[in-house]
Amino acid sequence: SQTIHQWPATLVQPVGSPLSLECTVEGTSNPNLYWYRQAAGRGLQLLFYSVGIGQISSEVPQNLSASRPQDRQFILSSKKLLLSDSGFYLCAWSAGRFGLDSPLHFGNGTRLTVT
Amino acid sequence: DQQVKQNSPSLSVQEGRISILNCDYTNSMFDYFLWYKKYPAEGPTFLISISSIKDKNEDGRFTVFLNKSAKHLSLHIVPSQPGDSAVYFCAASVEWWTGKLIFGQGTTLQVKP
Repeated sequence: SQTIHQWPATLVQPVGSPLSLECTVEGTSNPNLYWYRQAAGRGLQLLFYSVGIGQISSEVPQNLSASRPQDRQFILSSKKLLLSDSGFYLCAWSAGRFGLDSPLHFGNGTRLTVT
Repeated sequence: DQQVKQNSPSLSVQEGRISILNCDYTNSMFDYFLWYKKYPAEGPTFLISISSIKDKNEDGRFTVFLNKSAKHLSLHIVPSQPGDSAVYFCAASVEWWTGKLIFGQGTTLQVKP
């Protein structure tokens, strides 16, 4: 069966420090991968998605970037964190052809607090 | 611009009764809708979905209704159980094959024993 691993679960970082969140998927090949963020009191917002190695689409302008160095690995990064980057970050995957029988599957998320 | 809205931040129901969670949307191009359930410290888990060509989809105790003319989506849970207590998110997509979803803010459901 497919599983998704996301770490760390919680992270406290000072303003201006770098960020690296990692996500890996097991049990499937060539998944679509996604990074979502939930800010306080808001719904989940799509940040990046990838349909293949090295292919990254950014949904909103921001202080973050994403990379996909391997088929089942997705990394979210920042060179210098801002206070507004605080939130709950979720990695997700779907089968190569997302559809009614293949919804998004989420990891357990990373709670990031920028101080 | 909030394209998907869940106007009730919380809902409390008695065990065994019906829970009705509501969701409104503004984009008439949405063609695929989903409900996710989230427990604390966990990621959301998929619950049920519906295509815009249908007005109802049922899976066990969970039924989703879609009213396209009103741009309204609802999730019915019958009967409600204490284990259903969680945050429920509705989500919608225009390009459903991409997995790019737009989520509502969530509704916290509490089912009292």
